[in-house]
Amino acid sequence: NAGVTQTPKFQVLKTGQSMTLQCAQDMNHEYMSWYRQDPGMGLRLIHYSVGAGITDQGEVPNGYNVSRSTTEDFPLRLLSAAPSQTSVYFCASGPFGTGDTGELFFGEGSRLTVL
Amino acid sequence: SQQGEEDPQALSIQEGENATMNCSYKTSINNLQWYRQNSGRGLVHLILIRSNEREKHSGRLRVTLDTSKKSSSLLITASRAADTASYFCATDEPGTYKYIFGTGTRLKVLA
Repeated sequence: NAGVTQTPKFQVLKTGQSMTLQCAQDMNHEYMSWYRQDPGMGLRLIHYSVGAGITDQGEVPNGYNVSRSTTEDFPLRLLSAAPSQTSVYFCASGPFGTGDTGELFFGEGSRLTVL
Repeated sequence: SQQGEEDPQALSIQEGENATMNCSYKTSINNLQWYRQNSGRGLVHLILIRSNEREKHSGRLRVTLDTSKKSSSLLITASRAADTASYFCATDEPGTYKYIFGTGTRLKVLA
């Protein structure tokens, strides 16, 4: 059972480039989310989704887009990368949809450097 | 910022000792969870306590929750070198699906 899979694990971009961080889960979870982790800041929520076709903003959504066309996938897009987006990004999913919350399952992270 | 805070930021103890870390949060909650993160890895769920619970145990872990003070504590008893990691609390506000994480406590257990 793969769980939550993130790709790529490492990426270096130049300012202004675009890219997509991929996240896939094979646990049939309705809830998926993206976080960024910066030193001393803990994890901050970027975007989340409670099911296919439904997305919403978290605490730090600016500069990032998401879509949820299937239950399994939740890609995070950076349209024009900036050095401030240098961070470690985590995708997490949960076995719940609307009306309840609970345990999150995390991927291993994607380390992004923007030059 | 909506983030909660944890203290201490860092904790160093000897193997066999108990480790206590605290979490404070800012809003009402559905539940509070604790996660562990080993260096360079993703977070792993440890324990969940609901807003109507005051204490919960799981193996060597004991969690307490005081909703009147908006605080929680995680106690790890008889610590082991393998417990060396960062520990985070996470809360979610009723009516939302936004999980808010604390800033974490870095625990080092010396063998």
